[in-house]
Amino acid sequence: DTAVSQTPKYLVTQMGNDKSIKCEQNLGHDTMYWYKQDSKKFLKIMFSYNNKELIINETVPNRFSPKSPDKAHLNLHINSLELGDSAVYFCASSRLGDIPRSYTFGSGTRLTVV
Amino acid sequence: QKEVEQNSGPLSVPEGAIASLNCTYSDRGSQSFFWYRQYSGKSPELIMFIYSNGDKEDGRFTAQLNKASQYVSLLIRDSQPSDSATYLCAVKRGYGGSQGNLIFGKGTKLSVKP
Repeated sequence: DTAVSQTPKYLVTQMGNDKSIKCEQNLGHDTMYWYKQDSKKFLKIMFSYNNKELIINETVPNRFSPKSPDKAHLNLHINSLELGDSAVYFCASSRLGDIPRSYTFGSGTRLTVV
Repeated sequence: QKEVEQNSGPLSVPEGAIASLNCTYSDRGSQSFFWYRQYSGKSPELIMFIYSNGDKEDGRFTAQLNKASQYVSLLIRDSQPSDSATYLCAVKRGYGGSQGNLIFGKGTKLSVKP
């Protein structure tokens, strides 16, 4: 009955590989997000997406791409992985109209690029 | 200037004391303000939100907002060792598009000593 679930929890891969992280929410939320948390704990937004609009943080390399097969899922694809991509990636969701419109976070995916 | 700034700490307080966490933000048009708590290796969880100038209390937690000074704070009364975590300040600038995204500070690490 997890609200926002991410898989895998840990991912170790070599430079240059392509990988995906999956995210699913069962809260009926209409907007989903991907955040990157670096080693200094800084949470930085990468994407936000609802069924009408994809907003991309302009600092995100185009090697990163979100894919949403439906409202409950927002997967993150990463091509040509680099050492600097190592971080914890959090998926989150929210609902427009909720007060407060706070986010529910998944448990995170720790990506290590070697 | 960073959008949301926090003192990274660590902030160390004795058990039973008041812990005071501070946050400033750069966008004067910001609408809503959140405090998240993140335990090591876990995902952020919402503990307080505030929209209006003044104080808002919830149990041992009090959020304070001063929009004129672009300042938001979190007070934790009767601090407990279980409060030891990183506290993330987050700001939402508006309601639509990228304005609706939560922008996080780098967090303040709080340590409550028994």
